[in-house]
Amino acid sequence: AQSVAQPEDQVNVAEGNPLTVKCTYSVSGNPYLFWYVQYPNRGLQFLLKYITGDNLVKGSYGFEAEFNKSQTSFHLKKPSALVSDSALYFCAVRGDDYKLSFGAGTTVTVRA
Amino acid sequence: DAGVIQSPRHEVTEMGQEVTLRCKPISGHNSLFWYRQTMMRGLELLIYFNNNVPIDDSGMPEDRFSAKMPNASFSTLKIQPSEPRDSAVYFCASSFPGATKNIQYFGAGTRLSVL
Repeated sequence: AQSVAQPEDQVNVAEGNPLTVKCTYSVSGNPYLFWYVQYPNRGLQFLLKYITGDNLVKGSYGFEAEFNKSQTSFHLKKPSALVSDSALYFCAVRGDDYKLSFGAGTTVTVRA
Repeated sequence: DAGVIQSPRHEVTEMGQEVTLRCKPISGHNSLFWYRQTMMRGLELLIYFNNNVPIDDSGMPEDRFSAKMPNASFSTLKIQPSEPRDSAVYFCASSFPGATKNIQYFGAGTRLSVL
């Protein structure tokens, strides 16, 4: 079985400050890790993925994520948050099959 | 490309009625997924199709739910009869061949309210 934990329901930061959204995972086999963002009344939008290679993955809108195998983590980061980054963020993991398991989501609020 | 297209965007129905949700995947994608999103349970995979064939329907809640994919460009999720506890947002997603590593692209979802 595979699973994802997003330990924070909510993250609040001031605009211009660094943003971190935490994610840990559990999977047998090679982990394929994804971050998605969901804006109100919209579907999930892909941000970035880790398949193999460099542990630091760069994605859309200035986001990046760091894969840490020993800590089984895949935290999402942005050096300088924008008000428009306020949304619901999902971490997801896939093992060696097709099933994508999502975390419960973290609501990010960036205040002006 | 227009992305994954779902219809309707909103559906309000009464308990006991039949509901049909529709999905058009991205052209060239051969894997299609139906998900349900609720506050209590988060995102749940209902069913997965590969090359129009249902591969895993273990997430379908009960016999009231059924899904079909008659061709590569169309899928339906049907609930008959509907119940208030079916109220949720239903998402369709598609991906390229080789679904294990590839990105799933989501539609905008159908918000279903069963009264």
